Amino acid sequence: GAGVSQSPSNKVTEKGKDVELRCDPISGHTALYWYRQSLGQGLEFLIYFQGNSAPDKSGLPSDRFSAERTGGSVSTLTIQRTQQEDSAVYLCASSMRVQETQYFGPGTRLLVL
Amino acid sequence: TQLLEQSPQFLSIQEGENLTVYCNSSSVFSSLQWYRQEPGEGPVLLVTVVTGGEVKKLKRLTFQFGDARKDSSLHITAAQTGDTGLYLCAGYNNDYKLSFGAGTTVTVRA
Repeated sequence: GAGVSQSPSNKVTEKGKDVELRCDPISGHTALYWYRQSLGQGLEFLIYFQGNSAPDKSGLPSDRFSAERTGGSVSTLTIQRTQQEDSAVYLCASSMRVQETQYFGPGTRLLVL
Repeated sequence: TQLLEQSPQFLSIQEGENLTVYCNSSSVFSSLQWYRQEPGEGPVLLVTVVTGGEVKKLKRLTFQFGDARKDSSLHITAAQTGDTGLYLCAGYNNDYKLSFGAGTTVTVRA
C-alpha cells in the first residue's frame, strides 16, 4: 500500500513569500505529525493532529506557521512571510493511533533565498 | 538544548568493523526508539525498547535500554556499506510528543 507522501519534494522561495507544504498520510491513520529537520539537528516537533484537531500547537516556531487537516486525511503546513531561518526539511508522519509507530514521508526541502 | 544527547556525532569505519552509538538523557522515557534515515528519505523505525535493561537484537544490530530508562545504545557488528546512514534515537516522555536526538551519521567504507 501507499506510504506517506509529501509535496512538493523541493521548494525554493524568496524571503517574504508564503509557502504551502502538503502531506498525504497513510489511509486510515488517525494521527498526523509535522516535524522540522535542520542541518545537523534532529527532528523538531511542530504540531500533531488527532483526526482534524490539533491538541498541541506549542511546537510551531512563530505565528507565521499554521497547519490544518481536513477530512481526517490531508494536512497542509503553511508558512507566511518566509524567512531564511525557515530553510529546512519539513517531515510529515502518520500513525494508526497516537503513540503507535510513526511512518514518515520523504520530506519537503525548503530553501528560502 | 536536546532532551536526548547522541554520541558520537559522526562515525566513519571500515566494512567489517564494529560500532556503537549512544543516546543519553537526564529524563526518564517510557520507551525509546531507534530510526535510520537515508539521504532524501524520512526516518524508518528500526526498534522500540520499553523495559529497563531490555536488549533487542535485529540481525547484526543490538539495542540496549538502560536500567533507569534514561539511556540506550545501538551496536552494529561487522558493519556493511548498507549500514551507512543517519541513526536517530527518539523517546516518548509524555503521551504524544516524540523527542529526537540530533543523530549520529555513520559512514561504512568499503
